[in-house]
Amino acid sequence: NAGVTQTPKFQVLKTGQSMTLQCAQDMNHNSMYWYRQDPGMGLRLIYYSASEGTTDKGEVPNGYNVSRLNKREFSLRLESAAPSQTSVYFCASNPTGVYGYTFGSGTRLTVV
Amino acid sequence: QQPVQSPQAVILREGEDAVINCSSSKALYSVHWYRQKHGEAPVFLMILLKGGEQKGHDKISASFNEKKQQSSLYLTASQLSYSGTYFCGTPENQNSNSGYALNFGKGTSLLVTP
Repeated sequence: NAGVTQTPKFQVLKTGQSMTLQCAQDMNHNSMYWYRQDPGMGLRLIYYSASEGTTDKGEVPNGYNVSRLNKREFSLRLESAAPSQTSVYFCASNPTGVYGYTFGSGTRLTVV
Repeated sequence: QQPVQSPQAVILREGEDAVINCSSSKALYSVHWYRQKHGEAPVFLMILLKGGEQKGHDKISASFNEKKQQSSLYLTASQLSYSGTYFCGTPENQNSNSGYALNFGKGTSLLVTP
């Protein structure tokens, strides 16, 4: 009954450091998504993967890269972290098309 | 393009009703609704796919008017458990080859008091 699992749950980085946020789903979903959530801004799409082997930019892709490692896993990488990337990051997945999303529990990232 | 939600915040007494609106500047084919409690992940409530369609989830229902490019979420006889932030989501585009990425509104904060 895991659903969507994100690791780590919390992370503090220094400016310029790099890190990868991990996301895995066990529901055999085709599509996966990365969002960031900032106070008063709602959820903003960073990158998404409609199916294994494809990735596309969302609204706020700058400073991020993604990898759809296989059908289960979709990782988000920050190459050189900046304080503006302090946020809560959510991974989500859905089977495809017009199905609701299942969200992971989020990663709270602070860049100092 | 983010859909626009209104109001930004609502405070209700238990048992009162509320309406949350979501509108888009572009044609809509579907609308998602989610609820997020403080410190938790958003949870899917419902999706509306057709013009004028209404769906329900317990005492929470929604309508979708594709001609007006808007959707409304209705919370009837609100309960304490309804407190949270409600988000609507609309498709980034309709190209089936591009998946089904959603743009979310900024959210409506709902507080139900005893």
